[in-house]
Amino acid sequence: AQSVAQPEDQVNVAEGNPLTVKCTYSVSGNPYLFWYVQYPNRGLQFLLKYITGDNLVKGSYGFEAEFNKSQTSFHLKKPSALVSDSALYFCAVSAYAGKSTFGDGTTLTVKP
Amino acid sequence: DAGVIQSPRHEVTEMGQEVTLRCKPISGHNSLFWYRQTMMRGLELLIYFNNNVPIDDSGMPEDRFSAKMPNASFSTLKIQPSEPRDSAVYFCASSQDEKLFFGSGTQLSVL
Repeated sequence: AQSVAQPEDQVNVAEGNPLTVKCTYSVSGNPYLFWYVQYPNRGLQFLLKYITGDNLVKGSYGFEAEFNKSQTSFHLKKPSALVSDSALYFCAVSAYAGKSTFGDGTTLTVKP
Repeated sequence: DAGVIQSPRHEVTEMGQEVTLRCKPISGHNSLFWYRQTMMRGLELLIYFNNNVPIDDSGMPEDRFSAKMPNASFSTLKIQPSEPRDSAVYFCASSQDEKLFFGSGTQLSVL
């Protein structure tokens, strides 16, 4: 079985400050890891993925994530937050291409 | 490409009625997924298809739920009979190269 934990329901940061949204995972074998963002009344949008290779993955809108195999983590980061980054963020894991399991989501609020 | 297209955007129905949700995946994508999102249970995978064939329907909650994919460009999720606890946002997603592309969802309210 595969699972994802997003330990924080909410993350609040000030605009211009760095942000981190945490994610840990459990899966048999090598993981496929993803981050998605959801804006109100919209479907999820792909941000970035880790399949193999460099542990630091860069994605859309200046976001990046670091794969840490020993800690089974895949935290989402951004050096300087924008108010427009405020949204619901989902981490997902898959043991193979196809069936992804999503975390419960973390609401990011960036205050001016 | 217009992306994944779902219809209707909103559906309000009465308990016991049949509900059909529709999805048109992105052309060329060979996998299609139906998810349900609620506050209580988050995002749940109901069923997914690969090359129009159902691969895993273990997430379908009950026999009241059924899904079909008659061709590569169309899928339906049917609930018959519907119940108030089916109220949720239902998302369709298609994929190629691992990442998912989601539609805007159908907000279902069963009264």
